[in-house]
Amino acid sequence: NAGVMQNPRHLVRRRGQEARLRCSPMKGHSHVYWYRQLPEEGLKFMVYLQKENIIDESGMPKERFSAEFPKEGPSILRIQQVVRGDSAAYFCASSPGDRVKGYGYTFGSGTRLTVV
Amino acid sequence: GNSVTQMEGPVTLSEEAFLTINCTYTATGYPSLFWYVQYPGEGLQLLLKATKADDKGSNKGFEATYRKETTSFHLEKGSVQVSDSAVYFCALILTGGGNKLTFGTGTQLKVEL
Repeated sequence: NAGVMQNPRHLVRRRGQEARLRCSPMKGHSHVYWYRQLPEEGLKFMVYLQKENIIDESGMPKERFSAEFPKEGPSILRIQQVVRGDSAAYFCASSPGDRVKGYGYTFGSGTRLTVV
Repeated sequence: GNSVTQMEGPVTLSEEAFLTINCTYTATGYPSLFWYVQYPGEGLQLLLKATKADDKGSNKGFEATYRKETTSFHLEKGSVQVSDSAVYFCALILTGGGNKLTFGTGTQLKVEL
């Protein structure tokens, strides 16, 4: 079991470019979560997805950010027209179902985005 | 709203010292509580958890007890090692909370020889 796989591990983008972050959940997991960790801060929830469905996007910035989890393939977090303030570590997590209260979930190693 | 408060770091200890990292929470309801550990350059790993009052989570020599009366979940270890140097995050999740983990800001632990 390969765990939650995120790529790339490091991503450098110039201001105004697009950033695409990928997350492949653990085998058998159908729920994906994205979190952002800004420097010197804890992790903040961004979005919760099931296959082909956004369950909760209350933590997503209103503009430039979007996420998807298609029927086939990884979940994608997309940031358009990146700005320096988007520089952060983005973590993906997955769970086998929606009953995670007693389980938590499994995190990937993260993508560290640097906007120059 | 829900929140988690951790003691600020960095916490610097000598090897074999006793560790306590304080964590208190505010929640509307009965949360499950977690400690995650993040080693340099890596993602978060679940260290231990407790799902109801008076439960004690333990793993790798670390322990934490869910104290409902003081809304606390302090992390302890009797004898730390250099390899324990990492950032430790306290977190909670609520039933009906949309499966969102609410994290504290993290406490960096540095263990020296």
